[in-house]
Amino acid sequence: DTGVSQDPRHKITKRGQNVTFRCDPISEHNRLYWYRQTLGQGPEFLTYFQNEAQLEKSRLLSDRFSAERPKGSFSTLEIQRTEQGDSAMYLCASSLGGQSYPGRNTEAFFGQGTRLTVV
Amino acid sequence: AQTVTQSQPEMSVQEAETVTLSCTYDTSESNYYLFWYKQPPSRQMILVIRQEAYKQQNATENRFSVNFQKAAKSFSLKISDSQLGDTAMYFCAFMTWRGSQGNLIFGKGTKLSVKP
Repeated sequence: DTGVSQDPRHKITKRGQNVTFRCDPISEHNRLYWYRQTLGQGPEFLTYFQNEAQLEKSRLLSDRFSAERPKGSFSTLEIQRTEQGDSAMYLCASSLGGQSYPGRNTEAFFGQGTRLTVV
Repeated sequence: AQTVTQSQPEMSVQEAETVTLSCTYDTSESNYYLFWYKQPPSRQMILVIRQEAYKQQNATENRFSVNFQKAAKSFSLKISDSQLGDTAMYFCAFMTWRGSQGNLIFGKGTKLSVKP
């Protein structure tokens, strides 16, 4: 396992189009997180999954955004009717988590991100 | 709700000197983890150091150490013998591991520049 991978690395789309990003977490990780990061800012939480269950969604995640994690493996983040304000880096991370997983492996490992540019 | 605050947007340090980055957090949880992540320019976020809240001993990783003050909800990062490669954004982050409350929350970051 080479870590968290995200696809695509870069996406340029026209305003109003739909886009979908994919994240493949580290295989044994039960938690998967999505963040949005704009230039010079910290990652803003969007949503996270524990296995296939989406446990929390940020208010940043408007009804144009949807995320899925079928079967608790890879995840997709879809943005419908993109707007210029959606331009950002979208980061995915995975970790072990939950009451059964205290210990050294709790940290989140990040992918390289998908840079979205809406023109 | 948990929050993480980094009050220093930018800092600079001379090579080989020591610098401390500040972080405070707010939570009602008793079991949690704290992390410092490093994000070099245009590169991937990587973990620098982690601290379990139930451990009183401060974590250290080579030139990186933390000062964890649980009662004060403070978690600062000390970088000793700073190197040019330490130039990066540094993010403090907080995560609970109890049950369903496992969100990982970040501060806004501190931009550290190491000068030759």
